Amino acid sequence: EVQLVESGGGLVQPGGSLRLSCAASGFTFSSYWMSWVRQAPGKGLEWVANIKQDGSEKYYVDSVKGRFTISRDNAKNSLYLQMNSLRAEDTAVYYCARGRSRKYSGSYYNWFDPWGQGTLVTVSS
Amino acid sequence: DIQMTQSPSSLSASVGDRVTITCRASQSISSYLNWYQQKPGKAPKLLIYAASSLQSGVPSRFSGSGSGTDFTLTISSLQPEDFATYYCQQSYSTPPTFGQGTRLEIK
Repeated sequence: EVQLVESGGGLVQPGGSLRLSCAASGFTFSSYWMSWVRQAPGKGLEWVANIKQDGSEKYYVDSVKGRFTISRDNAKNSLYLQMNSLRAEDTAVYYCARGRSRKYSGSYYNWFDPWGQGTLVTVSS
Repeated sequence: DIQMTQSPSSLSASVGDRVTITCRASQSISSYLNWYQQKPGKAPKLLIYAASSLQSGVPSRFSGSGSGTDFTLTISSLQPEDFATYYCQQSYSTPPTFGQGTRLEIK
C-alpha cells in the first residue's frame, strides 16, 4: 500500500524554526517528484514546494522563498521541509504529496497522488 | 501565477441529484487540470487528472470535461459519501495553483 506519513508539526513562536518529515512506503520513493502542500485553518490548498527525484531541482512558492528548504533522503525514503523565520500566516496543516506524471500526445500531465494525512503547524506567541 | 476560480463556492443538493462544479483559469491551461475531493479532517483525494481522466478506483458517476480556460466536474447521481469540498488545480505552470474550493452540502 502506498503511504505517506508526516510528522514534526507543533506550536512554534513567530521567528522560530521547525522541520517537518514525511516517511514514504509502498512505492519506489526515488522515482518520484515530491511536494509539500499546506492548508490554513478553514482555507483552501496552497502548494509550497517540490523537489525532483534526485534532489537536483527544487521550486518554492514566492511566500516561502528564502525561509523554507525542501530536501529528501532517498536512502531513508523520506521528504523534509525545513521552515525558518516562521510567521503567523504559515499556520496550516502541511501535507506531503507524491507527484504523478503521464505523457499524452507528447506532453506530460502532472498531479498529486496520494497525499499524507497532514501535520499541523501553529505559529503563535 | 495562474488564478483558478471555482463556482459556486458552496452548493446544496440532494442524494440522486446531478451536480456540476465549474473551474475557470486566468489563462489557457490546455487540459492541465486536476480535481480533488476533501472530506473534513482528511487529506485531499485525487478524482480526475488531465481534465477528463478518471483516477483508478473513483466511481464512474464522477466525470470531468473542458480545455483551455473552462472546466467542469460533474457528479451524475449524488451519493451520501460525495458530500465534501472539491478543488480544481492547474498543472500547466509552476507554481501549481488551486481553486478556492466548492463545498457540497446536503439539502
